[in-house]
Amino acid sequence: DQQVKQNSPSLSVQEGRISILNCDYTNSMFDYFLWYKKYPAEGPTFLISISSIKDKNEDGRFTVFLNKSAKHLSLHIVPSQPGDSAVYFCAASGRGGTSGSRLTFGEGTQLTVNP
Amino acid sequence: DAGVIQSPRHEVTEMGQEVTLRCKPISGHNSLFWYRQTMMRGLELLIYFNNNVPIDDSGMPEDRFSAKMPNASFSTLKIQPSEPRDSAVYFCASKLGGLPQYFGPGTRLTVL
Repeated sequence: DQQVKQNSPSLSVQEGRISILNCDYTNSMFDYFLWYKKYPAEGPTFLISISSIKDKNEDGRFTVFLNKSAKHLSLHIVPSQPGDSAVYFCAASGRGGTSGSRLTFGEGTQLTVNP
Repeated sequence: DAGVIQSPRHEVTEMGQEVTLRCKPISGHNSLFWYRQTMMRGLELLIYFNNNVPIDDSGMPEDRFSAKMPNASFSTLKIQPSEPRDSAVYFCASKLGGLPQYFGPGTRLTVL
């Protein structure tokens, strides 16, 4: 049962344009969501997060939007740069206790930003 | 600032051999996580520790896998005996409280 899904395995955009990466989840107990970026031969790097009490969080070129009713979140990168080319993972965790530490990851989306 | 340190970075072994992966979390972090990444299953949590105590090991695939955290600055993941299907990249991550997890560079394990 894949509780966090990233339906697009890959995305290609032009430098300077917007990149939109999408993520859907099924578990209504998830209340904290994160995006990680991963370069080849490196570990995932934390990018940005959002709590379920918010619907938007922004950090520089990166903005995460959360639509709780649709169980959907998205990561917007504006403007996209060639250095953003990486695999992006969506992750979610549940409320409190032991489930508050456990992250469930999506399959990842390979973003390629073309110069 | 040193991040999460994992060793070795690459390990090639033969089926049936014992494999030990090592992790040093970020100093001051009180939670440590072991993940495995494969093409088939993606990134999956194997086990995690809070304050050196194993909290959730439901992701450990079978008895051949074991993990220890003897102190706050060191953890091991052991596979004995190893099998070809254990070939994967194994990541260690650590965090403090409610902050995000920070990952190490991973160990690429190949079991022949």
